[in-house]
Amino acid sequence: EAQVTQNPRYLITVTGKKLTVTCSQNMNHEYMSWYRQDPGLGLRQIYYSMNVEVTDKGDVPEGYKVSRKEKRNFPLILESPSPNQTSLYFCASSPPQGREKLFFGSGTQLSVL
Amino acid sequence: AQSVTQLGSHVSVSEGALVLLRCNYSSSVPPYLFWYVQYPNQGLQLLLKYTTGATLVKGINGFEAEFKKSETSFHLTKPSAHMSDAAEYFCAVSDGTGRRALTFGSGTRLQVQP
Repeated sequence: EAQVTQNPRYLITVTGKKLTVTCSQNMNHEYMSWYRQDPGLGLRQIYYSMNVEVTDKGDVPEGYKVSRKEKRNFPLILESPSPNQTSLYFCASSPPQGREKLFFGSGTQLSVL
Repeated sequence: AQSVTQLGSHVSVSEGALVLLRCNYSSSVPPYLFWYVQYPNQGLQLLLKYTTGATLVKGINGFEAEFKKSETSFHLTKPSAHMSDAAEYFCAVSDGTGRRALTFGSGTRLQVQP
């Protein structure tokens, strides 16, 4: 089944404790992206990747890192999480043709205490 | 720069009634426009999209939207609401370059009353 898989689904952590949210897609998509969703703000793009080893900042990259060493994986790294990073995070991917048709993962609800 | 404004964060309709979710956009280039739907505890799914050509586009589950350039609008409609339509709906715009993909609106939560 074609899908984008995020883990974990829920995560509670404390300020300053490094964490990684994993994202994997099995559709051989080149384009991958991370969004955060906050009430009243919709989805805002954090980082995106056009292909392996090619990443760029989105609208709200501060406090986040990403890497793209393989086509299928695009982890989101929070080196020193803060409470304002409490949010619902989505990973998405899309094929070369029709890049706007994003396939989304099920989301990761992160709480930073 | 692009932006999307969705009028009404919450919309409530009765089952069988018309659904109208409003979206206005701002774009410096001819826009690509999208509606996504998010069901509870799920990621977003593409409902429909407008790129070029016919301005009335049909999507899944009986939804459609009309691109009106003069009004910079892309409102989503469905003639008759079903209980299963209860979800959050996001309008989005792309400049077509593909680099940054989509800019999303803040979302409209649709409630369907029995």
